[in-house]
Amino acid sequence: DQQVKQNSPSLSVQEGRISILNCDYTNSMFDYFLWYKKYPAEGPTFLISISSIKDKNEDGRFTVFLNKSAKHLSLHIVPSQPGDSAVYFCAASEVDSSYKLIFGSGTRLLVRP
Amino acid sequence: DAMVIQNPRYQVTQFGKPVTLSCSQTLNHNVMYWYQQKSSQAPKLLFHYYDKDFNNEADTPDNFQSRRPNTSFCFLDIRSPGLGDAAMYLCATSRDWGVDLRGGETQYFGPGTRLLVL
Repeated sequence: DQQVKQNSPSLSVQEGRISILNCDYTNSMFDYFLWYKKYPAEGPTFLISISSIKDKNEDGRFTVFLNKSAKHLSLHIVPSQPGDSAVYFCAASEVDSSYKLIFGSGTRLLVRP
Repeated sequence: DAMVIQNPRYQVTQFGKPVTLSCSQTLNHNVMYWYQQKSSQAPKLLFHYYDKDFNNEADTPDNFQSRRPNTSFCFLDIRSPGLGDAAMYLCATSRDWGVDLRGGETQYFGPGTRLLVL
């Protein structure tokens, strides 16, 4: 029973264009969402997060959008760069179990030069 | 400047032979976590320590145990590995939990140990 779903296992984008990675969740108790980025042979590293009281959070080229009614969030990368090629994990936590992150299965992004 | 170190990076064991994976951290964080990630699946939390307080996830098999002898080190023991236990095992740390996750602080991951069971 996957509570966090990333339905696209891979995405290929041209350098300079926008990358949009999507994530859906089923648990209405989730109130905090995070994106992690993982390069080969390294552990996931934190990228950006958003609280459920917001619908958008921006950090440089990275923006996360949250649509609570649709239980959907997305990560936008603009402009995409070859160094952004990695696996991106969506994660969520709920207020009563805030130590615990529930991860999606990841989306592999390839940014073509 | 490795902050969360996992050794070994690759571990091969035999079916049923106990194996121990290790994790160390230089961040002096209170919380340490162990995740299991099978191929193309989401990382799944097995258990975590808040200082010396051990917390097991309800669906973590009894075959998996953990030890945290001090702040810096945490071990994952698999008592009788089965073929289904072949996976990437990720160690993570966080300074605290709850509030910190919401404040933007998050979990710091090691590179993982890939376990192969023959």
